[in-house]
Amino acid sequence: NAGVTQTPKFRILKIGQSMTLQCTQDMNHNYMYWYRQDPGMGLKLIYYSVGAGITDKGEVPNGYNVSRSTTEDFPLRLELAAPSQTSVYFCASSRTTGGYGYTFGSGTRLTVV
Amino acid sequence: KQEVTQIPAALSVPEGENLVLNCSFTDSAIYNLQWFRQDPGKGLTSLLLIQSSQREQTSGRLNASLDKSSGRSTLYIAASQPGDSATYLCAVISNQAGTALIFGKGTTLSVSS
Repeated sequence: NAGVTQTPKFRILKIGQSMTLQCTQDMNHNYMYWYRQDPGMGLKLIYYSVGAGITDKGEVPNGYNVSRSTTEDFPLRLELAAPSQTSVYFCASSRTTGGYGYTFGSGTRLTVV
Repeated sequence: KQEVTQIPAALSVPEGENLVLNCSFTDSAIYNLQWFRQDPGKGLTSLLLIQSSQREQTSGRLNASLDKSSGRSTLYIAASQPGDSATYLCAVISNQAGTALIFGKGTTLSVSS
């Protein structure tokens, strides 16, 4: 049982480049989330999804896009990378709402130079 | 807007000590509060979840309390061990349908042998 898998673990991007952070879960969870964690800070929600085909913005969505074509996958797209997007990105999933049963991936450390 | 504050930001203790981590939140209208553990290079693991109607939860050497009216929670760790060294994050969620966890910045704990 793999849980939530994120790839890549590390990436360095140049300003203006684009990339997709991959996230997949094998627990058949309906709810999936993308958070970012800046150094010394708590996690902030970027986007979330309540099921295949349904996504919504979180607290800090600017500069990102998501899609949810299957229950298992929830990729995060960065267009025109900026230094302000240097962060650690965590994908998570849960079976229900209300904060219950969150499972987090191990994170992707992204540096934009 | 809900804000979560954790004090202290860092804590170093010798093995065997009992210790308390503090969490405060500005809006007492929460649904539940969770304490997470974060190890370097790994995702977050949920330690304890306290419903808004509850006063405390216990798991092994960990005890979390909640005083919703005063906007405070504490995580008590008994007989600390080097393996407890990690960052501890407090997070709240506003209602049962809520999808966004609001995190504090965390307390980084170091337990020396």
